[in-house]
Amino acid sequence: DVKVTQSSRYLVKRTGEKVFLECVQDMDHENMFWYRQDPGLGLRLIYFSYDVKMKEKGDIPEGYSVSREKKERFSLILESASTNQTSMYLCASSFSYEKLFFGSGTQLSVL
Amino acid sequence: KQEVTQIPAALSVPEGENLVLNCSFTDSAIYNLQWFRQDPGKGLTSLLLIQSSQREQTSGRLNASLDKSSGRSTLYIAASQPGDSATYLCATESYSNYQLIWGAGTKLIIKP
Repeated sequence: DVKVTQSSRYLVKRTGEKVFLECVQDMDHENMFWYRQDPGLGLRLIYFSYDVKMKEKGDIPEGYSVSREKKERFSLILESASTNQTSMYLCASSFSYEKLFFGSGTQLSVL
Repeated sequence: KQEVTQIPAALSVPEGENLVLNCSFTDSAIYNLQWFRQDPGKGLTSLLLIQSSQREQTSGRLNASLDKSSGRSTLYIAASQPGDSATYLCATESYSNYQLIWGAGTKLIIKP
């Protein structure tokens, strides 16, 4: 079975901290995605990557950056966390035009 | 710009009923459409993927149909069970990029 693993299930950070969210997949997928999900706003794409060292902005990239140094790992970085970044963060991976597989999510609270 | 709509936002039915969830989209130039399930506080699970050349896909008690000309997809759940309670989302993928366009989801409650 495909496994997409997010490093933390719950995370509490202070305003201004640098936050790293890690995601690892074990199926050699070329595509990886970071979403955030908020009540009433649905799923919103932050960044995606279709190859190692490649990245593309999604709908809401402001305040975030990403890193993909290895094919299996896609990291989301909050350079200076703010309270409006409190959210559920979901990582996903896929082969192009095939099923999308999600991790279990990281519930981030920024205080 | 593609828009994906799911109506109703919430649905409650008694256990054992057959039910249909709806997904509509504005641009028929899609590569595929996926149906997902999300349990509270969890990630999403892909249930079915229908390619644009296909009319339907089946998995167990689930059947998803696709009508590109009318911009509609349905997810049919047979003999519903309380364990089917979850939020169901649909998403389309276009030829031009890797981004999925998401519906807001239908929250389904199956009453025992």
